[in-house]
Amino acid sequence: EDQVTQSPEALRLQEGESSSLNCSYTVSGLRGLFWYRQDPGKGPEFLFTLYSAGEEKEKERLKATLTKKESFLHITAPKPEDSATYLCAVQAVTGFQKLVFGTGTRLLVSP
Amino acid sequence: DAGVIQSPRHEVTEMGQEVTLRCKPISGHDYLFWYRQTMMRGLELLIYFNNNVPIDDSGMPEDRFSAKMPNASFSTLKIQPSEPRDSAVYFCASTSDAARGAFFGQGTRLTVV
Repeated sequence: EDQVTQSPEALRLQEGESSSLNCSYTVSGLRGLFWYRQDPGKGPEFLFTLYSAGEEKEKERLKATLTKKESFLHITAPKPEDSATYLCAVQAVTGFQKLVFGTGTRLLVSP
Repeated sequence: DAGVIQSPRHEVTEMGQEVTLRCKPISGHDYLFWYRQTMMRGLELLIYFNNNVPIDDSGMPEDRFSAKMPNASFSTLKIQPSEPRDSAVYFCASTSDAARGAFFGQGTRLTVV
């Protein structure tokens, strides 16, 4: 069964304090790994898709990386507006269009 | 584009009542997904459609749940009869290329008392 585990469950940072979120996964052949951001009371917002080990993608202060067993979302010099829940999901080669999500990391960035 | 539109945003109902959640996907998107989000289990895929045809409904918890997509611009998720354990936030999402990520609606917060 495809599984996604995210850590930590919650993370509190000071503005400017860089850190990383972890997403460990087991999947029967990875088609893609997805990162989403979710603000309170809203639906998840797509950030990145990674397809193969070694791939990296960046967007503003966020950089996502991928290995064969896990993905990291690096946050460089975060700002309070980066506070949100970050969700990781995997799509298996045999899973058609199904995404299996982790339970997320709640990030709070204090000024 | 207005994005994926869901209604209602909030629904409070009594146990045993029928509940219907509605979704209008982004125009031109041929994939539509229904997800349920709870604190304990996170986001779970219930069912998805491609070109209005249900492709995978293995996530639908029980026969009490049913989903339809009568045309490309409208889908419903129905729960009959509803139970307190159905309380959750239900999201609809759509995309034209699932490998590039899906666009989610604002969700419907369902409370069954």
